[in-house]
Amino acid sequence: DIVMTQSPLSLPVTPGEPASISCRSSQSLVDADDGKTHLDWYLQKPGQSPQLLMFTLSSRASGVPDRFSGSGSGTDFTLKISRVEAEDVGIYYCMQHIEFPYTFGQGTKLE
Amino acid sequence: QDQLVESGGGVVQPGRSLRLSCVASGFIFSSYDMYWVRQLPGKGLEFVAHISFDGRKKYFADSVKGRFSISRDTSKRTVFLQMKSLRPEDTAMYFCARDAVGPDVSWGQGTLVTVSS
Repeated sequence: DIVMTQSPLSLPVTPGEPASISCRSSQSLVDADDGKTHLDWYLQKPGQSPQLLMFTLSSRASGVPDRFSGSGSGTDFTLKISRVEAEDVGIYYCMQHIEFPYTFGQGTKLE
Repeated sequence: QDQLVESGGGVVQPGRSLRLSCVASGFIFSSYDMYWVRQLPGKGLEFVAHISFDGRKKYFADSVKGRFSISRDTSKRTVFLQMKSLRPEDTAMYFCARDAVGPDVSWGQGTLVTVSS
């Protein structure tokens, strides 16, 4: 199975300041057929289901503010928030969907 | 607007069975693979099972292989997760999700399964 490792697991932030979450996979997530990186980011707010933030590494999902950005290559990925807002609190997960079983990082709690 | 609504969760004794349902709306159900993910209480996310758009291909996590099955009914726009021989460690919130490489990914709100005597 592909192991997804996130860091940090807890991230205290101050509104208006930037934040960065790292995710590393145990093997490349680049699909040889379509050239896309099969790495998504999710945010789970308290009491809610995970919501898609970023898909295929760096594309923002519908309605996601442009203060969120995704980057990386191969096996190392980063989710950045340029200026944290109060509504951004929750647990962030990276997820690979290049092969079964799909696997998730442990989650990073932004607080 | 696309929507996934899970149901069928509840409290069940160890060793018993339960069937979860996920009704889809707002998109062409027959065009998408679907899968189930669970979240143990206070824990992270775990992939459970996946079914292809036409129902021909299925994949299961090792932890549920041989006990869980997945199916879909296009006429009802529903994907099912049949769970047998349930164990206390299967206690979790179960989410249904639409699979896509792109922005079409969506998740339901989940249904809670509690396995306890």
